[in-house]
Amino acid sequence: NAGVTQTPKFQVLKTGQSMTLQCAQDMNHEYMSWYRQDPGMGLRLIHYSVGAGITDQGEVPNGYNVSRSTTEDFPLRLLSAAPSQTSVYFCASSIYRGSTEAFFGQGTRLTVV
Amino acid sequence: QQQVKQSPQSLIVQKGGISIINCAYENTAFDYFPWYQQFPGKGPALLIAIRPDVSEKKEGRFTISFNKSAKQFSLHIMDSQPGDSATYFCAASVLSGNTPLVFGKGTRLSVIA
Repeated sequence: NAGVTQTPKFQVLKTGQSMTLQCAQDMNHEYMSWYRQDPGMGLRLIHYSVGAGITDQGEVPNGYNVSRSTTEDFPLRLLSAAPSQTSVYFCASSIYRGSTEAFFGQGTRLTVV
Repeated sequence: QQQVKQSPQSLIVQKGGISIINCAYENTAFDYFPWYQQFPGKGPALLIAIRPDVSEKKEGRFTISFNKSAKQFSLHIMDSQPGDSATYFCAASVLSGNTPLVFGKGTRLSVIA
C-alpha cells in the first residue's frame, strides 16, 4: 500500500516555465488537497477537491490550477513559474471532507530561478 | 487572517524534560483538533487528535490539553527524547464541513542531550 505518492521529489524551473506536480493515492480517499510549506509560514492550502470532478480554491490559489478527473489523481499545475513559487509542496488525502486524518505525501521541493 | 495561532516558533528542551506547544483558535465551529509531526524531508503525519467534548487526551508520552472556553489547546511531550526533534503543527477543522484542515505555522522542537 503506497499511500500518497508525489512526483517529482525535486524540480528546478526557470521563470515562466510551466509544469505539473503529480499526486496519486491508492486508499480510495474522496478528499485531496495541496499545501505549500515555506519557512515560518506553516502549511498553506492551495487547492482542494472533495471528489472527482470537484475542486475549490484554498488560501493561496493564484498561479496554480488543479483538476480531478479520477479519485486517485490530483495534479497541481504551475502555469507560469515565478520565484515566489519556490517552496515545498505537499499533497494530502483523507477519507472524506478533509477533516479526518490527512495522509501526506513526501513532498516536492521546487526551485524557480 | 490566521485562524490558528501557534507558539513558540522554536523550542529547545533538555532530554527528559517536558515540551509544551500552544495553539489558539478563533472559529468556534472548529470541532476537531489534531497535531501533526514532521521530520526533515518527510511529509507531516498525524500524531494525536482531540474533540472538544474532552479536556485531555493522552497517548503514551504525548498529551493534548483542551480549553474550550479559552479557545486554546496544547501539546505536552513528557520525557522528551532526541528522537522527538521535529516540527510540530497544530490544526483545526469542522468535521462536518468541506474545508480542509487549517494549520498553525509550526514549532521546530529540538531535544538536546
